[in-house]
Amino acid sequence: QKEVEQDPGPLSVPEGAIVSLNCTYSNSAFQYFMWYRQYSRKGPELLMYTYSSGNKEDGRFTAQVDKSSKYISLFIRDSQPSDSATYLCAMRKTGANNLFFGTGTRLTVIP
Amino acid sequence: GAGVSQSPSNKVTEKGKDVELRCDPISGHTALYWYRQSLGQGLEFLIYFQGNSAPDKSGLPSDRFSAERTGGSVSTLTIQRTQQEDSAVYLCASSLGFGTGVETQYFGPGTRLLVL
Repeated sequence: QKEVEQDPGPLSVPEGAIVSLNCTYSNSAFQYFMWYRQYSRKGPELLMYTYSSGNKEDGRFTAQVDKSSKYISLFIRDSQPSDSATYLCAMRKTGANNLFFGTGTRLTVIP
Repeated sequence: GAGVSQSPSNKVTEKGKDVELRCDPISGHTALYWYRQSLGQGLEFLIYFQGNSAPDKSGLPSDRFSAERTGGSVSTLTIQRTQQEDSAVYLCASSLGFGTGVETQYFGPGTRLLVL
């Protein structure tokens, strides 16, 4: 069993919809949580990071962490065609340097 | 440069050949990481450098894989006697290297390796 699970999708939504992306994890040693966006044939770029349980908002994006359930989410409001990409959750354990990634969810926002 | 660069962007090789993949991190970043992205597998950690030292090589899948970093800057990932299962996108990332939990890793565009 992978330490980080993510539904690969694909997910297709109309422009303006609210998108919900999720990951679960099994190891409570994960303390730092990130969401990366990856456009086709590009490297991942960091969208959001969180440390504690709760919500963090940045423009149209909200990251949510529930450590008790080992569940993290990324919400995208008023989705745009330019949001079409693969979204990867990533996590890091305390004292470690490398990131553990989900498989990524491919999102398409239809104009 | 402004970001992490990798070369070549694409590499096609025959099974059994050796390949070298290069990463130029962001100037001043002391930490450097190699990841592999396979179809349906997500990104898998390979190796981490702090300066020229590699304190964590735990992700290297076999002894055919090796990496080095010189001058605290450029890194080379070498795959010897390539196998078809080595086909993947190899991504390099760098970060400031302070070791804080929220330190951002900046990724390069990757090298797409195809082993025939």
